[in-house]
Amino acid sequence: AQSVTQLDSQVPVFEEAPVELRCNYSSSVSVYLFWYVQYPNQGLQLLLKYLSGSTLVKGINGFEAEFNKSQTSFHLRKPSVHISDTAEYFCAVSQGYSTLTFGKGTMLLVSP
Amino acid sequence: GAGVSQSPRYKVAKRGQDVALRCDPISGHVSLFWYQQALGQGPEFLTYFQNEAQLDKSGLPSDRFFAERPEGSVSTLKIQRTQQEDSAVYLCASSLARDSPLHFGNGTRLTVT
Repeated sequence: AQSVTQLDSQVPVFEEAPVELRCNYSSSVSVYLFWYVQYPNQGLQLLLKYLSGSTLVKGINGFEAEFNKSQTSFHLRKPSVHISDTAEYFCAVSQGYSTLTFGKGTMLLVSP
Repeated sequence: GAGVSQSPRYKVAKRGQDVALRCDPISGHVSLFWYQQALGQGPEFLTYFQNEAQLDKSGLPSDRFFAERPEGSVSTLKIQRTQQEDSAVYLCASSLARDSPLHFGNGTRLTVT
């Protein structure tokens, strides 16, 4: 079985400040890791994914994440956020691309 | 091309009614998934199709939930005798193959009163 823990349900931040959204996972086998973003009343959009190789993964909209196997973490970062980054962010794990197990989500609130 | 399309976007049902939620995947996508997203929660897996075959239905919460994809394209998720705890957003996702990236629809928000 696998699970995902997103430690913060809500993260408030000012525009142009850096942000880190935390994600920890547990699994007995090797996994793929994902971050998705969900804007209000919309579906999920893939931000980035880690399958193998370099532990630093770059995604869309200036986001990046670092896979840390020893700490079983996959934290999402952005050096300077915009108002438009306000959304719900979900960390997810799978043994392939399919049948994702999601965390409960972190609401990123960017204010001017 | 068009993305994954779900209809209706919103559905209000009285407790005890049956509902049917439709998903039109991206043309040519073999794999199709249904997820349930309760308020304030992450999506949870319901069921998976490869073409018309339902290969995994382990996430369906009860026998009131039924999904089909008879011709390997459009899928319908049916909920019989809806209960208040069924209120959620139902997300459909499709992919070209089993190990390809998922494309999500905008979901159907079901409210059971």
